[in-house]
Amino acid sequence: NAGVTQTPKFQVLKTGQSMTLQCAQDMNHNSMYWYRQDPGMGLRLIYYSASEGTTDKGEVPNGYNVSRLNKREFSLRLESAAPSQTSVYFCASISTRGSWGELFFGEGSRLTVL
Amino acid sequence: AQSVTQLDSQVPVFEEAPVELRCNYSSSVSVYLFWYVQYPNQGLQLLLKYLSGSTLVKGINGFEAEFNKSQTSFHLRKPSVHISDTAEYFCAVSAINTGGFKTIFGAGTRLFVKA
Repeated sequence: NAGVTQTPKFQVLKTGQSMTLQCAQDMNHNSMYWYRQDPGMGLRLIYYSASEGTTDKGEVPNGYNVSRLNKREFSLRLESAAPSQTSVYFCASISTRGSWGELFFGEGSRLTVL
Repeated sequence: AQSVTQLDSQVPVFEEAPVELRCNYSSSVSVYLFWYVQYPNQGLQLLLKYLSGSTLVKGINGFEAEFNKSQTSFHLRKPSVHISDTAEYFCAVSAINTGGFKTIFGAGTRLFVKA
């Protein structure tokens, strides 16, 4: 059972380059999330998608775009990367059935912007 | 809007001693409360959650937390810690709004258990 799968796990970019972080979940969850984790700041919500076809801004959306491609997939795009976007990015989906309210996380994507 | 404050960034404690990790929240709507744990170089996993009912909730690995609505707190406790409890702990608050289920995290508390 794969759960939440993120790719790539590691990426180094130069300032101004673009890239897309991919996320897929196989748990049939409706809602999906992108967080970034920085030392001393916990996890901050970038964007989330309550259901297929909808997306909403979180706490720190500037510099990012998202696409909810279908129920399984939720991608995060950096159009013009900046050093301030160096972080660990986590994708998550939420259970609204058995383990109600629990977020299931991917293993994270470590991004460095030079 | 909701927010979460974890009052201690680091908590050192000796093995077999009790520990309390403090969490306060604010919200204009009803919320659901969670504690997650992150071991080094791993993702987050759920420790316990409060949805409704009894204000004392028990989780995995001997942890428990108490929801106090009047003080808007959800402190995490363990009566006797082990070396293996060394990790970072995150308090989280969830609310349902027009955009769906939204979860906000605190800054985290790093627990160091010393022999």
